[in-house]
Amino acid sequence: GAVVSQHPSRVICKSGTSVKIECRSLDFQATTMFWYRQFPKQSLMLMATSNEGSKATYEQGVEKDKFLINHASLTLSTLTVTSAHPEDSSFYICSARGQGAQYFGPGTRLTVL
Amino acid sequence: GNSVTQMEGPVTLSEEAFLTINCTYTATGYPSLFWYVQYPGEGLQLLLKATKADDKGSNKGFEATYRKETTSFHLEKGSVQVSDSAVYFCADRDDKIIFGKGTRLHILP
Repeated sequence: GAVVSQHPSRVICKSGTSVKIECRSLDFQATTMFWYRQFPKQSLMLMATSNEGSKATYEQGVEKDKFLINHASLTLSTLTVTSAHPEDSSFYICSARGQGAQYFGPGTRLTVL
Repeated sequence: GNSVTQMEGPVTLSEEAFLTINCTYTATGYPSLFWYVQYPGEGLQLLLKATKADDKGSNKGFEATYRKETTSFHLEKGSVQVSDSAVYFCADRDDKIIFGKGTRLHILP
């Protein structure tokens, strides 16, 4: 089946630094990619939707200047958390739509000290 | 916009018990409905789906029927196993997938 990978799986960084998370669709072309955030014991909250070659569409309440999304190709999207703070610590999950379905990555655990 | 409401957990059952996890949705159109499962330490996996009213999705002994009249998509399994312990998310999709808050399921041997 279709596979979506994320890298890194875990990252710990200091407050004020920026962190980039990669999301790749491994065996299909993803016309649309999604980024979700999951807090402990809570649901996945959609942060933004991106289509290849165009600007991402952010959900209400998500700071686009803080969470930079680049959908550079049909198999790669990146999420950069800029000037990270402890409250940005969370589990970030990407998802890729292609082949008539939507597939989820394994997630990236971000811890900001 | 769309939204999904599912029963809060945790739900604790003994092995071979009958399982129901309730889910209701609101939508302006006719969304597709999904159940996703997240096993400990793993990513989200699609468990089953239904794309139109009265469709029944099924997989691994789990079933859910798309009920338009009650706007529901309850998840059921006749006999649960310890390996079913996970978090289950109900979701609907118009142009993007919206998830419920998740229900943690513990199955005791």
